[in-house]
Order: sequence, then C-alpha cells, then structure tokens
Amino acid sequence: GAGVSQSPSNKVTEKGKDVELRCDPISGHTALYWYRQSLGQGLEFLIYFQGNSAPDKSGLPSDRFSAERTGGSVSTLTIQRTQQEDSAVYLCASSVRGGGGAHNEQFFGPGTRLTVL
Amino acid sequence: AQSVTQPDIHITVSEGASLELRCNYSYGATPYLFWYVQSPGQGLQLLLKYFSGDTLVQGIKGFEAEFKRSQSSFNLRKPSVHWSDAAEYFCAVGAGYGGSQGNLIFGKGTKLSVKP
Repeated sequence: GAGVSQSPSNKVTEKGKDVELRCDPISGHTALYWYRQSLGQGLEFLIYFQGNSAPDKSGLPSDRFSAERTGGSVSTLTIQRTQQEDSAVYLCASSVRGGGGAHNEQFFGPGTRLTVL
Repeated sequence: AQSVTQPDIHITVSEGASLELRCNYSYGATPYLFWYVQSPGQGLQLLLKYFSGDTLVQGIKGFEAEFKRSQSSFNLRKPSVHWSDAAEYFCAVGAGYGGSQGNLIFGKGTKLSVKP
C-alpha cells in the first residue's frame, strides 16, 4: 500500500514568509509525528497527534511553528515568519497507534527540504 | 531526561568486512529501541526494533542488534557489509515510560562509508 507522503519535496522561501508543509499518513494510522532534521542537530521531535486527543506540542521550537491535523488524517505544519535557522528537512511519520509497543513502529515520509534565503 | 548517544559520527569499512555501530541510551526502565537507516535523499527506513524478550533481534538486510541492559547499549551489527549499505544510521528510543510519550528520541546518527 501507499506509504507516508509529503509535499512539497523542496521549498525555497524568503526570510519572513510563511510556509505550509503537508503530510499524508498511511491510511488507518491514528498517530502522526513531525520531526526536523538539520545539520548538527540530528532529528528533533516537533509535534505528535494521537487520534482525537490534544496534540503533544512539547517539541515545537517557537510559537512561529504550528500544526493541525484535519479529520484525523492529513496534517499541515505551518511556519510563520520563517528564519534562516528554520532551514532543514521536515519529516513526517505515522504509526498504527501512539504510545509504547509494537504499534508505535513509525513509518517515515521522504521529507520536505526547506531552504530559507 | 532520556537520551541516545551514537559515539561514532563517521565509520568507513571495506566491502565484505564486518560492521558494528554503537548506540548507548539513558533510561531507567526497559526501553523501546529502534535502528533506522537513511540513504541519501531518502526518508528513514526501520531496520529493526526491540521491545522485550530475546535480547538479540534480527532485522532486514542482514542486520542484527543486541540489547545489553548492563551496558545500556543497543549496538547494530552486520557480518559482511555490502556497498549498498553506505548510508546514515540512526538509533532511537521511544520517549516516556514504555515509550508511552509517543515520539522517538534519536541519536545524531553514524554515517557509514563502504570502500570497494
């Protein structure tokens, strides 16, 4: 079946502009995660959605970052007033369910490479 | 706080040689542990995982890893490396007690180069 898809694959924007990144999880997966991969920082957790529960936003680096998940499926990560330090690859993952155990095996999308000029 | 350490930033091995990538974690209870591989320009692919039971776990592509609680380690091994194994490898632990927090905490990765 189809894996996790993300769009766009590449995004170049100017400092100060807003950007939206999209993630389509695997059908039937109730948990969805956003991570950021940048040079020198490795992979950082940003936000986690589990079903209809309030998202875990503990990894968001600033209030310029927000995410929503509509209808328990597609998710959009929005970065407002982008800064050069936001340049990174943004990865989305989904799993059958959140929490511990085998159901937390996370399947990753190919990522969106964001470049802020 | 939980953390994952991959001591080796870059490793080069000859094709056909054996491989061991190191991973150490800090966590009080039994962790949920994962190894992912990322080829250039690709997303992350799960190689193997450990939740409980047998401490030696087998994964895809001929990889295995051994959980050693006494050493807080989960090292990845392969007996004979192929050129196609050149990639970056990430060790991760499930956050929170029993991974209950949901997200993964990743090490900074080890880049593997393979010499012909």
